[in-house]
Amino acid sequence: NAGVTQTPKFQVLKTGQSMTLQCAQDMNHEYMSWYRQDPGMGLRLIHYSVGAGITDQGEVPNGYNVSRSTTEDFPLRLLSAAPSQTSVYFCASSYSSSGETQYFGPGTRLLVL
Amino acid sequence: SQQGEEDPQALSIQEGENATMNCSYKTSINNLQWYRQNSGRGLVHLILIRSNEREKHSGRLRVTLDTSKKSSSLLITASRAADTASYFCATESDNAGNMLTFGGGTRLMVKP
Repeated sequence: NAGVTQTPKFQVLKTGQSMTLQCAQDMNHEYMSWYRQDPGMGLRLIHYSVGAGITDQGEVPNGYNVSRSTTEDFPLRLLSAAPSQTSVYFCASSYSSSGETQYFGPGTRLLVL
Repeated sequence: SQQGEEDPQALSIQEGENATMNCSYKTSINNLQWYRQNSGRGLVHLILIRSNEREKHSGRLRVTLDTSKKSSSLLITASRAADTASYFCATESDNAGNMLTFGGGTRLMVKP
């Protein structure tokens, strides 16, 4: 199994540009989530999904959209990038939303100029 | 807002010594998890301890949970240089819809 994969590994955007961060998992996990990690800080939840067709907001959802059309994929869209969205983004998945180990991808480093 | 707060923020020890990291949280939880993050990498799950458990072991790792004090500790015994990483606690509670809420982490450096 490849586990949780994320692309791209690194991206530079200009303010106002849009882009999609890709996340895929091959473990047939129902639960997937997106976090952002700012320097010296822990992770903050952006959006999550408990299954295909179901998404919900986390702690810091503004400026981001998600969709879950398949069990495997959970893309994160930045609608109009802002410098405040410069961060490292992690995708994670688990069998369910409660009491389970979360498996993390390697992260996407995003720089917004 | 961060549910869990780790203490200390940074810890430097010699190889072979024990390392203890603490985590405090604010609301009742279903479980608490510890993760490790090597520099520039994603998080790796270490241990999950449920609210009705008081202690768990995994190899050189020992985790305790005191729900009355809303705190947990992670002990790494006989540390190695390869243990150098950031360690995060994460809590899961009904209040947050079973989402994981992470603390700010403890940066551990183990000197050879």
